[in-house]
Amino acid sequence: NAGVTQTPKFQVLKTGQSMTLQCAQDMNHEYMSWYRQDPGMGLRLIHYSVGAGITDQGEVPNGYNVSRSTTEDFPLRLLSAAPSQTSVYFCASSTNWGVEQFFGPGTRLTVL
Amino acid sequence: GENVEQHPSTLSVQEGDSAVIKCTYSDSASNYFPWYKQELGKRPQLIIDIRSNVGEKKDQRIAVTLNKTAKHFSLHITETQPEDSAVYFCAEGTGANNLFFGTGTRLTVIP
Repeated sequence: NAGVTQTPKFQVLKTGQSMTLQCAQDMNHEYMSWYRQDPGMGLRLIHYSVGAGITDQGEVPNGYNVSRSTTEDFPLRLLSAAPSQTSVYFCASSTNWGVEQFFGPGTRLTVL
Repeated sequence: GENVEQHPSTLSVQEGDSAVIKCTYSDSASNYFPWYKQELGKRPQLIIDIRSNVGEKKDQRIAVTLNKTAKHFSLHITETQPEDSAVYFCAEGTGANNLFFGTGTRLTVIP
């Protein structure tokens, strides 16, 4: 199993550009989440999904959209990138709530 | 709960000594408390977790204690080794995949 994979690993955007961060898992996990990690602020939940077709907002959802059309994939969309969205983004998955979350390798995004 | 305070932010110990990291939270409904370890440039990985119906859990050199009355929980690492050097994050949540993370503790184990 590949576990949780994320693409791209690095990305540089200009303010106002849009892009999609990809996340996929091959463990048949129902729960998937997106976090951003900023220096000194830990991990903050952006959006999460408890199953295909179901998504909800986390702690910092503004500026991001998600969809969950399949169990395996959970893409994160930035519609109009802003410098405040410069961060490292982690996708995670788990079988259920309250159990180990498996994190992807992360995407380092810089918005100029 | 949205307020998770983690202390200290940095911690240096001599190899073989113990390390203790503490977190406090505000939501009395919180019932899941995991600890994640993140090595430099790597992804976070779960090292131990505890639920609200348990006061202490141990796994070899790592232990977590939970005091629900005082709303704090702690990570204890005994007989520290250089490979324990990393950033450690506590987290807490009440359900529906809503986990709130602390700001992290950078642990350095000095050989």
